[in-house]
Amino acid sequence: GAVVSQHPSWVICKSGTSVKIECRSLDFQATTMFWYRQFPKQSLMLMATSNEGSKATYEQGVEKDKFLINHASLTLSTLTVTSAHPEDSSFYICSARAGTSGSGTGELFFGEGSRLTVL
Amino acid sequence: AQSVTQLGSHVSVSEGALVLLRCNYSSSVPPYLFWYVQYPNQGLQLLLKYTSAATLVKGINGFEAEFKKSETSFHLTKPSAHMSDAAEYFCAVSGQAGTALIFGKGTTLSVSS
Repeated sequence: GAVVSQHPSWVICKSGTSVKIECRSLDFQATTMFWYRQFPKQSLMLMATSNEGSKATYEQGVEKDKFLINHASLTLSTLTVTSAHPEDSSFYICSARAGTSGSGTGELFFGEGSRLTVL
Repeated sequence: AQSVTQLGSHVSVSEGALVLLRCNYSSSVPPYLFWYVQYPNQGLQLLLKYTSAATLVKGINGFEAEFKKSETSFHLTKPSAHMSDAAEYFCAVSGQAGTALIFGKGTTLSVSS
């Protein structure tokens, strides 16, 4: 099946620094990628929708200046947590929709997730 | 708008027993429904999906789910639980193919020997 890779899997940073998380579709072109955030023992909350070559669409309550999303190519989207603080510590998961999969199944392919810990 | 409600945040069964994880959905359009499993510190693995074809959907690892429009439900079952089934399970819905999924709060499945 389709593979989506996230990097890094784990990252620890100091408060005030910025952290970049990459999401790559390895064997297909992803016109749309979605970023989710998951707090411990909780569900996945959609943060934003990223379309290749255009600005991301953020969900209500998500600070677009804090969570910068770039989708510069059909295989790569990045999430940058700027000036990270301990409350930004979370598990971030991306998912990608294959641009050529016109079957209408609605399936998305998920990355393995990236755990961010801000000290 | 779409939403899902997972009834029961924690389900405990004995090894070999029936597994039943409940999910009810709300959707203004015909829904696409999914069940995912998540192991600690890992991403999501798709168990099965409903896309308006057969109402009884068979997935991986012996799981299946039945779409019941009259009950707006999509419960996940497995006839015989295995220790390796212990994980977090998420029901999800989307209204259009390829759009973002909306997840339920999850159900933790524990399996005892």
